[in-house]
Amino acid sequence: EVQLVESGGGLVQPGGSLRLSCAASGFTFSNYWMTWVRQAPGKGLEWVANIKQDGSEIHYVDSVKGRFTISRDNAKNSLHLLMNSLRAEDTAVYYCARYSRQSSAWYAFDIWGQGTMVTVSS
Amino acid sequence: DIQMTQSPSSVSASVGDRVTITCRASQGINRWLAWYQQKPGTAPKILIHAASSLQSGVPSRFSGSGSGTDYTLTISSLQPEDFATYYCQQGSTYPLTFGGGTKVEIK
Repeated sequence: EVQLVESGGGLVQPGGSLRLSCAASGFTFSNYWMTWVRQAPGKGLEWVANIKQDGSEIHYVDSVKGRFTISRDNAKNSLHLLMNSLRAEDTAVYYCARYSRQSSAWYAFDIWGQGTMVTVSS
Repeated sequence: DIQMTQSPSSVSASVGDRVTITCRASQGINRWLAWYQQKPGTAPKILIHAASSLQSGVPSRFSGSGSGTDYTLTISSLQPEDFATYYCQQGSTYPLTFGGGTKVEIK
């Protein structure tokens, strides 16, 4: 079964740090771009970051540039998001998703994890 | 950045109704447009990619169309399990962006 499972969310103070992880199974992880998408409580979806199969190409939304770092470990089928200098507006459910650049789902997020909640508050 | 504007933001409909949701991009996106369905407390699920390609396993009552800047998601005959929020997303240019969502509610 194709699956993504996030972990690492929690409550953190403003200015603090948190590292999210996503464990992939059921597909060849190293063949796919991966992404993080977030959703603030009661709000819509916001793309956060993408990383190419070998990590050689990375993109971020402007609001997290310089604060968040996306990375992956293909040997361990895992995706990570290191979040520094957290702000109240980073409070959201963070989803790990597979970003397809293939005919099965051109330039779309075809597999999603269940999400992990990050709350930034004092 | 490409802005994605969805309309309406909400719609009330009955089982069996035909529902149409539109998504307008602030510039052309070459049909690199996907649609997602999200139910409360769950992750989004992809319905359509490349504007009109139905994802495997998605019921055929869902269809997508459009080109250039204007795209449409149509549910031909609304079923009870279709009451949810729907989002469009463009994959043409970074930053990748979503529409604001359309909530389909029971009339």
